[in-house]
Amino acid sequence: EVQMVESGGGLVQPGGSLRLSCEASGFTFSNYWMSWVRQAPGKGLEWVANINQDGSDKNYLDSVKGRFTISRDNAKNSLYLQMNSLRAEDTAVYYCAGSIVGGQGTLVTVSS
Amino acid sequence: IVMTQSPATLSVSPGERATLSCRASQSISSNLVWYQQKPGQAPRLLIYGASTRATGIPDRFSGSGSGTEFTLTISSLQSEDFAVYYCQQYNNRLSFGGGTKVEIK
Repeated sequence: EVQMVESGGGLVQPGGSLRLSCEASGFTFSNYWMSWVRQAPGKGLEWVANINQDGSDKNYLDSVKGRFTISRDNAKNSLYLQMNSLRAEDTAVYYCAGSIVGGQGTLVTVSS
Repeated sequence: IVMTQSPATLSVSPGERATLSCRASQSISSNLVWYQQKPGQAPRLLIYGASTRATGIPDRFSGSGSGTEFTLTISSLQSEDFAVYYCQQYNNRLSFGGGTKVEIK
């Protein structure tokens, strides 16, 4: 069974930083592109970033370019999202995903 | 790839049939999933590969389509089916439709 467990969310002030983690199991993690997806309160789902199998190719939503960095550790079946210079509009539940959104997500709240 | 869902809201009586539509801005073959989401919960996978039900999903849920036009049909709505439904393509990165809220008529 495919499982993804996200962690690392919390309350942070504008301009602050957080690092999200996702531990995946139930599939061959190293074979897949992986993504982060977010959902702001009361809004729909939005792709944020993705990374290829060996980490050499990364893509970002325009609004997070230069602030967020996606990475992975295939030995640990783990995906990461380093978020810097956080803004109120980054407040959302963040999910990791292969082709499909998995896990319960982790809530990031950016507020003073 | 832009995903467009219609209608935004669907009012249906329990026991009736619901038909939800999803259109892709370019061909995505059958690389489409449907999710159900209730307030305060994570999305729940219903359908993948456009038409394959995920494990444990009742057979009243069915998906069809390929290319750019897709449909999720709920044959006889139960009380637990009133929720928001999203489509998502995984042919090129990931992108999501805006959702269809299925509400009680």
